[in-house]
Amino acid sequence: GENVEQHPSTLSVQEGDSAVIKCTYSDSASNYFPWYKQELGKRPQLIIDIRSNVGEKKDQRIAVTLNKTAKHFSLHITETQPEDSAVYFCAPGGSYGKLTFGQGTILTVHP
Amino acid sequence: DVKVTQSSRYLVKRTGEKVFLECVQDMDHENMFWYRQDPGLGLRLIYFSYDVKMKEKGDIPEGYSVSREKKERFSLILESASTNQTSMYLCASSQQLRYEQYFGPGTRLTVT
Repeated sequence: GENVEQHPSTLSVQEGDSAVIKCTYSDSASNYFPWYKQELGKRPQLIIDIRSNVGEKKDQRIAVTLNKTAKHFSLHITETQPEDSAVYFCAPGGSYGKLTFGQGTILTVHP
Repeated sequence: DVKVTQSSRYLVKRTGEKVFLECVQDMDHENMFWYRQDPGLGLRLIYFSYDVKMKEKGDIPEGYSVSREKKERFSLILESASTNQTSMYLCASSQQLRYEQYFGPGTRLTVT
């Protein structure tokens, strides 16, 4: 099966700084690369995703970059705000719409 | 808006009891999933279903079974609950051939 690892497991930044979370995966057949955000006590929600034919995608302050050769993709958050504090999960996808979630990264943004 | 609901937010059961967790989605999604979430382990897939009466094992199916008799409803069954099944259980759904999953609010199950 797919092995997924996220780094770092915790990340603490000052408001306004940038944050980067990296996800490595093992299955070369994976063709969908999303990031989910889960705020405390809430359900996970998709914040950005990328398909394997695209190297980078940006949506306002967040971006995802993909290196399919090296089997990793990253989440970039610029100008972080306290409301960005949450747990972030990568979840590379394969057949049947199945996702394999990483262990999560706890991001804390200090005002 | 896609709506995924789960039958209970909190549940307390005794060891050996049979436990039913239900999930309902209202967007006619073909795919449905059950995960358990534990600190430091992320979301781990228990079972999924891509059609009525179809089911596939996920990464940790032991001790669980599922039922999907109707398209909108996917049930997770713990045949004989054990303390190591104490966890947060999340249901999700997605459209066929699309990957975005929509999650329910979760059921926090405690087995004593």
